[in-house]
Amino acid sequence: RKEVEQDPGPFNVPEGATVAFNCTYSNSASQSFFWYRQDCRKEPKLLMSVYSSGNEDGRFTAQLNRASQYISLLIRDSKLSDSATYLCVVNDSGTYKYIFGTGTRLKVLA
Amino acid sequence: DTAVSQTPKYLVTQMGNDKSIKCEQNLGHDTMYWYKQDSKKFLKIMFSYNNKELIINETVPNRFSPKSPDKAHLNLHINSLELGDSAVYFCASSQELAGGFEQFFGPGTRLTVL
Repeated sequence: RKEVEQDPGPFNVPEGATVAFNCTYSNSASQSFFWYRQDCRKEPKLLMSVYSSGNEDGRFTAQLNRASQYISLLIRDSKLSDSATYLCVVNDSGTYKYIFGTGTRLKVLA
Repeated sequence: DTAVSQTPKYLVTQMGNDKSIKCEQNLGHDTMYWYKQDSKKFLKIMFSYNNKELIINETVPNRFSPKSPDKAHLNLHINSLELGDSAVYFCASSQELAGGFEQFFGPGTRLTVL
C-alpha cells in the first residue's frame, strides 16, 4: 500500500460546482497534514493545513478523519482558476519526512 | 523578492556528464530539501538538511551529493548523469525540521539527460 494515496483524476467539473477529493495515508502515527496546489509546470504551493477539528478557508474546507486515516478537501463554487493538481501531504513526525500523494487533477470547465 | 530560488531553470546535458543545481532561500529557514518530480508527476523527497546537517537521505544513488555551505544554501551535484535522472528537481525550505510547517518551493530545475 502506498504511504499516501489519491485518485489521480482528472475531475472535470463545471464552473460553480462543488467537488471533493479524498486522500488516504498508511501511517497512523502521522501528525501533520496539508493540501498543496500545483499548477502546470509550476512549483507546489500550500493551499491549507488540515487540522483535527476541520478547517475552512473561503470556498475551501479540509477535514481529517484519523480513525479511517484519510483527509479530504471540498471546493465550493468552483472557479476556472481552481484548475490545478491538488497534492495531499502527510508529515511523518518520526522521520520528519513530508510524503506527497501523486495528486488529483482538477479541471473546471466554462 | 524571490523566497526560494534555483539555478538553472533548465538543464539539458548528455549522459555521463556531471552537473550541479544551486538553491538559495532568503526566508531565514533552518531546513532545506531536495525533491524529484518524475514524468508521472510524483514528488519524492531526496534529501533534507537542518542547519547544514544532513537529516534525511532517501534511497538515492550516491551519484547525487548534496552540499549545504550555510543555512541559506543547498546545492545538488549529480555525477555520471543517466537517462533516468531526467525530471524536475525542486528545492524547498521550511522554518523548522519538525512537522507542521509550510514548505516553500523553488521554481524547479527541469533536467533533461540525452
